[in-house]
Amino acid sequence: GEKVEQHESTLSVREGDSAVINCTYTDTASSYFPWYKQEAGKSLHFVIDIRSNVDRKQSQRLTVLLDKKAKRFSLHITATQPEDSAIYFCAASWNQGKLIFGQGTKLSIKP
Amino acid sequence: DAGVTQTPRHEVAEKGQTIILKCEPVSGHNDLFWYRQTKIQGLELLSYFRSKSLMEDGGAFKDRFKAEMLNSSFSTLKIQPTEPKDSAVYLCASSFLGGHSAETLYFGSGTRLTVL
Repeated sequence: GEKVEQHESTLSVREGDSAVINCTYTDTASSYFPWYKQEAGKSLHFVIDIRSNVDRKQSQRLTVLLDKKAKRFSLHITATQPEDSAIYFCAASWNQGKLIFGQGTKLSIKP
Repeated sequence: DAGVTQTPRHEVAEKGQTIILKCEPVSGHNDLFWYRQTKIQGLELLSYFRSKSLMEDGGAFKDRFKAEMLNSSFSTLKIQPTEPKDSAVYLCASSFLGGHSAETLYFGSGTRLTVL
């Protein structure tokens, strides 16, 4: 069935450095790829997304890259800050609305 | 605007009990999702409604899990009978298909279920 794999279960970077989280998906019909953030003790909230008609999208310090041939997408966070520490989930949509999530990556920002 | 409201925040049940979790989506949203979150399995989709119609009935979760959407502003998830392996955080999310931010999910705070 549809599957989204998130490659890094944990990631630790020094404050100010960049962080990259990678995901792959199985279904070539996927058209929508959002990212969600879950801070400690809280629920998930949306951070950024990309659709299959583009291969790059940037919002402030966040950039999402999409490689449709490789069925891979990634979240890049530049100039990391302590408040970036959280669990990040990638997801993919096979039809309008239904989202399948990756396992999550716990990002820790070290001072 | 109110976000997604889930009640209760915490639930403790004895094995074999029936429990009902509740969710009120964002007003005007037409898609509603129930997910289960555990450390091992991550986020698993349990049920998915579009305009109150059941689109996804949970596959492996069908036998003891039943989600209903009684009206556009209220949904329940019943687990009957509960088992210790059901201990998890149950998340409800809603979205508006057709708007500028179509497919962006808004999550509730979740219900933490512990089955003894």
